[in-house]
Amino acid sequence: AQSVTQPDIHITVSEGASLELRCNYSYGATPYLFWYVQSPGQGLQLLLKYFSGDTLVQGIKGFEAEFKRSQSSFNLRKPSVHWSDAAEYFCAVGAGFGNEKLTFGTGTRLTIIP
Amino acid sequence: GAGVSQSPSNKVTEKGKDVELRCDPISGHTALYWYRQSLGQGLEFLIYFQGNSAPDKSGLPSDRFSAERTGGSVSTLTIQRTQQEDSAVYLCASSSPTSGGPQDTQYFGPGTRLTVL
Repeated sequence: AQSVTQPDIHITVSEGASLELRCNYSYGATPYLFWYVQSPGQGLQLLLKYFSGDTLVQGIKGFEAEFKRSQSSFNLRKPSVHWSDAAEYFCAVGAGFGNEKLTFGTGTRLTIIP
Repeated sequence: GAGVSQSPSNKVTEKGKDVELRCDPISGHTALYWYRQSLGQGLEFLIYFQGNSAPDKSGLPSDRFSAERTGGSVSTLTIQRTQQEDSAVYLCASSSPTSGGPQDTQYFGPGTRLTVL
């Protein structure tokens, strides 16, 4: 069975600073990987996803993530954070092709300080 | 167009009562999912419907939980004899799987916050 680990429960960064959120997965085959963001009181919004091809994936809101098979990682990055990026971020893995349920990490809460 | 909608947005109930949570998926989406988001537990998969196929119920935590999807659209998640540990946010998602293709994006609703007293 697949699993996802987000080792950082809470991260605080200054506005304008760079950001990297860590995600490690466990899955026996090529995974389908996702990053979702959840703002307070809101549902989950997809930031980006990786299925195959280029290992550097661009998403919405200036986010990107890099798939590294050798490290079983799919870290999320942003070069300069904005106060509106404060939210909870979830990494997820899906098996696809008939096993579409997503397995989520426990999330990383991002706080932005002025 | 309209996204996934869920009702009610908040539900407070007493231990032992039954509750029904409703999900309206995006029009035309054939796949529908229920997840539960609990404090300290993250997001857990509960059940998955795809078209007319038998649902994948592998995530339901007990036989007190059931779900149905009528007419391939609206879904209702029912929790019988609620317990305090059922308190959580219940999220619904829908997608439009591409035949033979990779996993399609799941679009999530805002959730129903259930509190069992």
